[in-house]
Amino acid sequence: EDKVVQSPLSLVVHEGDTVTLNCSYEVTNFRSLLWYKQEKKAPTFLFMLTSSGIEKKSGRLSSILDKKELFSILNITATQTGDSAVYLCAVERGSEKLVFGKGTKLTVNP
Amino acid sequence: DGGITQSPKYLFRKEGQNVTLSCEQNLNHDAMYWYRQDPGQGLRLIYYSQIVNDFQKGDIAEGYSVSREKKESFPLTVTSAQKNPTAFYLCASSKMRGYEQYFGPGTRLTVT
Repeated sequence: EDKVVQSPLSLVVHEGDTVTLNCSYEVTNFRSLLWYKQEKKAPTFLFMLTSSGIEKKSGRLSSILDKKELFSILNITATQTGDSAVYLCAVERGSEKLVFGKGTKLTVNP
Repeated sequence: DGGITQSPKYLFRKEGQNVTLSCEQNLNHDAMYWYRQDPGQGLRLIYYSQIVNDFQKGDIAEGYSVSREKKESFPLTVTSAQKNPTAFYLCASSKMRGYEQYFGPGTRLTVT
């Protein structure tokens, strides 16, 4: 059975801290791994990763994929209160469908 | 502005009634998707469509139906056969296979 596991499920930090969110997966016919940020309603797209070892970066956020060990990490440096959200990891299978993890709820306190 | 719209934001229904959730996109995307999100759970795929007049069941299609008569529109009907319909429903679209999906704002359905 395909599965995507995110850890931790919940995390509370102070502004300025650096956080690392984890996503491990077991899916058939892996095509890509995606990260989304969900604040209150619609998840917003952050990154799509298809190749191992190539870091994707956007401002204070970065992500990398390890296809050998079947995991990805999402790093957020110098966290701000606006980073508080649920971060979703999803893996696209060969059938073109996404399998989502349960998400990591990040709370950044001032 | 290009985007995905879902209506209504909140919907209340009595048990035994069918209800249709709207999803429209003006991104010229070929593929559209419906997901359900329950508290503490990941998003689960209900139905998806890659082209007009064609759609496929996702992982939890029982009790739901869809249509794709126009490229821009992918309405979801929650039928009375769906045993636990109360949930947050998200619609998404993507350019085509292999591209990231973009999500609408969601509809929170409550059935009592």
